[in-house]
Amino acid sequence: DIVMSQSPSSLAVSVGEKVTMSCKSSQSLLYSSNQKNYLAWYQQKPGQSPKLLIYWASTRESGVPDRFTGSGSGTDFTLTISSVKAEDLAVYYCQQYCSYPCTFGGGTKLEIK
Amino acid sequence: QVQLQQPGAELVRPGASVKLSCKASGYTFTNYWMNWVKQRPGQGLEWIGMIDPSDSETHYNQMFKDKATLTVDKSSSTAYMQLSSLTSEDSAVYYCARFANYPIFAYWGQGTLVTVSA
Repeated sequence: DIVMSQSPSSLAVSVGEKVTMSCKSSQSLLYSSNQKNYLAWYQQKPGQSPKLLIYWASTRESGVPDRFTGSGSGTDFTLTISSVKAEDLAVYYCQQYCSYPCTFGGGTKLEIK
Repeated sequence: QVQLQQPGAELVRPGASVKLSCKASGYTFTNYWMNWVKQRPGQGLEWIGMIDPSDSETHYNQMFKDKATLTVDKSSSTAYMQLSSLTSEDSAVYYCARFANYPIFAYWGQGTLVTVSA
């Protein structure tokens, strides 16, 4: 199974600050045939179901604010929130869909100071 | 719009089984794989398995192969997951989640909280 590791496990920032969080996979998620990275990011707010934010490592899902940016390739990926809002309080998960079983990282909990 | 409706909660006795439901609407049920995901309190997400509603082909995470059984009822656009021999380790929220055109979880149900307690 592909192991997904996220860091930090939690972070606290003030509104308006820039945030970056990391996701690393135990195997490359880049398919040479199509040059796509099989990596998605989800946001889970307290008491809610997860919500898809980004797929193919950097493609924003429809309706997701452009302050959310995904980047990276191969085994190292980053989710950046350019200017955090109070409503971004959530746990963020990365997920690989390169091979089964689909696996998730342990999550990064974003807290607002 | 796509909706996946799940009951809010189930209370079950240790050793018993439970069958969870996920009623889909807003799209053609047989066109997309349906998945089930487990989340223990305060923990991360674990993929249990998936089913193709068109022919009931299933794929399971080996970790859940002896625990979960996935089925569908095409007539009611409902997916089911039966969990057997329940223990406290099975107490969790169980989500159904529909794939997009790739194995990306594009739509999620609200989840069913399963509590295993005597």
